[in-house]
Amino acid sequence: AQKVTQAQTEISVVEKEDVTLDCVYETRDTTYYLFWYKQPPSGELVFLIRRNSFDEQNEISGRYSWNFQKSTSSFNFTITASQVVDSAVYFCALSEVNTPLVFGKGTRLSVIA
Amino acid sequence: EAGVAQSPRYKIIEKRQSVAFWCNPISGHATLYWYQQILGQGPKLLIQFQNNGVVDDSQLPKDRFSAERLKGVDSTLKIQPAKLEDSAVYLCASSPGWFGTNEKLFFGSGTQLSVL
Repeated sequence: AQKVTQAQTEISVVEKEDVTLDCVYETRDTTYYLFWYKQPPSGELVFLIRRNSFDEQNEISGRYSWNFQKSTSSFNFTITASQVVDSAVYFCALSEVNTPLVFGKGTRLSVIA
Repeated sequence: EAGVAQSPRYKIIEKRQSVAFWCNPISGHATLYWYQQILGQGPKLLIQFQNNGVVDDSQLPKDRFSAERLKGVDSTLKIQPAKLEDSAVYLCASSPGWFGTNEKLFFGSGTQLSVL
């Protein structure tokens, strides 16, 4: 069965520090999809990235970057030069083909000015 | 483009009462999802609709929860009777495609339910 583990429950950093959020997943399928969502205090989950299992290329989008490593079943998320607006709960999620999206428990990030 | 709309934003009820939540997905989105998010946990899928048909309701507690999506647009989720453990945020999401579990989901702001 598919499973997502986010071992870091809460992280606090000072503004402008870099921070990495860890995500480890389990699946028996060779085809699967990994996601990151951000949940700000307003409550609405906001999509950040989707990756399929055949694309291990790392991705960078502005201050955000993602490191996908199949060898360690990890899909980590790094925020460079963090800002107060990055404060939120971040969820890693996994779906196998045509199965429901399974979320981790989330990591609460607090960026202090 | 309007996002996913949900109402009410907050609801407080006593146990054994009934409650209903409403969701209006993004126009044209075929697939609609209801998720339950208990405090400190990630969202868990309750039910998935494709147009007005149910695709997956395996995790819906059918003895007390029901949902419908009339005409393949709006949806309502009902709990009757509510239990203390139903206290959670109920999130609605939609996606444009037919097999939406592998694509980006658009979420509403949720309904926060407190059962006393």
